[in-house]
Amino acid sequence: DSGVTQTPKHLITATGQRVTLRCSPRSGDLSVYWYQQSLDQGLQFLIQYYNGEERAKGNILERFSAQQFPDLHSELNLSSLELGDSALYFCASSVGQGDEQYFGPGTRLTVT
Amino acid sequence: GQQLNQSPQSMFIQEGEDVSMNCTSSSIFNTWLWYKQDPGEGPVLLIALYKAGELTSNGRLTAQFGITRKDSFLNISASIPSDVGIYFCAGQVAYSNYQLIWGAGTKLIIKP
Repeated sequence: DSGVTQTPKHLITATGQRVTLRCSPRSGDLSVYWYQQSLDQGLQFLIQYYNGEERAKGNILERFSAQQFPDLHSELNLSSLELGDSALYFCASSVGQGDEQYFGPGTRLTVT
Repeated sequence: GQQLNQSPQSMFIQEGEDVSMNCTSSSIFNTWLWYKQDPGEGPVLLIALYKAGELTSNGRLTAQFGITRKDSFLNISASIPSDVGIYFCAGQVAYSNYQLIWGAGTKLIIKP
């Protein structure tokens, strides 16, 4: 158990809908990262927050947004969902920036 | 942008064999991290390397930070069935904004 929690574990929704994925980092970690992993693909970095502030953006679509709250948990919002958004979404956390990242168990999103 | 070349893309192994995989880049790295991902699970940190030339072991796993700071390798000795999975390298580029760059993964498959 990495200490990073993600909810929900599974999510099935229809095209055009909006969903919110939630992540709680390890105790003491200030950075949260979001990744997308499509079937049999590598990890695509989406976005990073450090102590509530956005610090880096990767290949994140405009339909996707995220935030980190004062208690350091983070939410990833996915809107106007398309079939191609079906993937595993992972959250990771680290103490600072550039440190070892510890991953949560992921949320499997299925868009039908 | 910066890229990590991870090879091989996949490997078929027999139980008891030694395994070797590596990551290379044209950029200089401060940190190398090796992760393992089981199907449907989040990546788990195996080994972290912080100095050029550093050689670190974790059980049957050994990883090295290349002396040029542009590469790293991971060896698994006497492989067992539970070694099956996808192995990812990740590195923090020197003089960057602390972002990790990820390899595409090496998939380890047991020969029947």
